[in-house]
Amino acid sequence: KNEVEQSPQNLTAQEGEFITINCSYSVGISALHWLQQHPGGGIVSLFMLSSGKKKHGRLIATINIQEKHSSLHITASHPRDSAVYICAVRAAMDSNYQLIWGAGTKLIIKP
Amino acid sequence: NAGVTQTPKFRILKIGQSMTLQCAQDMNHNYMYWYRQDPGMGLKLIYYSVGAGITDKGEVPNGYNVSRSTTEDFPLRLELAAPSQTSVYFCASRGPINQPQHFGDGTRLSIL
Repeated sequence: KNEVEQSPQNLTAQEGEFITINCSYSVGISALHWLQQHPGGGIVSLFMLSSGKKKHGRLIATINIQEKHSSLHITASHPRDSAVYICAVRAAMDSNYQLIWGAGTKLIIKP
Repeated sequence: NAGVTQTPKFRILKIGQSMTLQCAQDMNHNYMYWYRQDPGMGLKLIYYSVGAGITDKGEVPNGYNVSRSTTEDFPLRLELAAPSQTSVYFCASRGPINQPQHFGDGTRLSIL
């Protein structure tokens, strides 16, 4: 079993829908990252959080440390949101900031 | 700012050839990382460095070597290319501990 599990693996939705991508992890962590990988391959960091909730534009990330679970939400989704969304965690005892990576969720938003 | 720059963007190698993937960052970051991403899979850490002169193995180091002679540069070398090394390679860097990693655009490498 992977230490970081994402669901769903693939998600197709219509423009305007509310999107939720989930990330569950099995290790104690000091931080959790959400990243976006564009169809062209570039990887961009969206959020880094260790508690609570963060919002940036139409993106919202939440984390529940007790339940070892995080969600990424996209409101009013748009075709340009189509990408792979990756969850990664930093283990609590790691001193060199190695990240444990999820396999990603491929999101397609249809017009 | 350039951020993290990887070269080349694409390369095709024959089995047994060697090559160096270049990575440079202009953010004065101490931490640098090399990952590979196989189709449909998550990122796997190959090597990382916590500063000039210091490198360490990640999850999948076999078949690769790295060096870190300067803060800016972190090249990845493949000595004897094998088909299993066909992948997309990403370099990343990070500054202070509360900051995210910055990624290069990747190098698509095919070994035929």
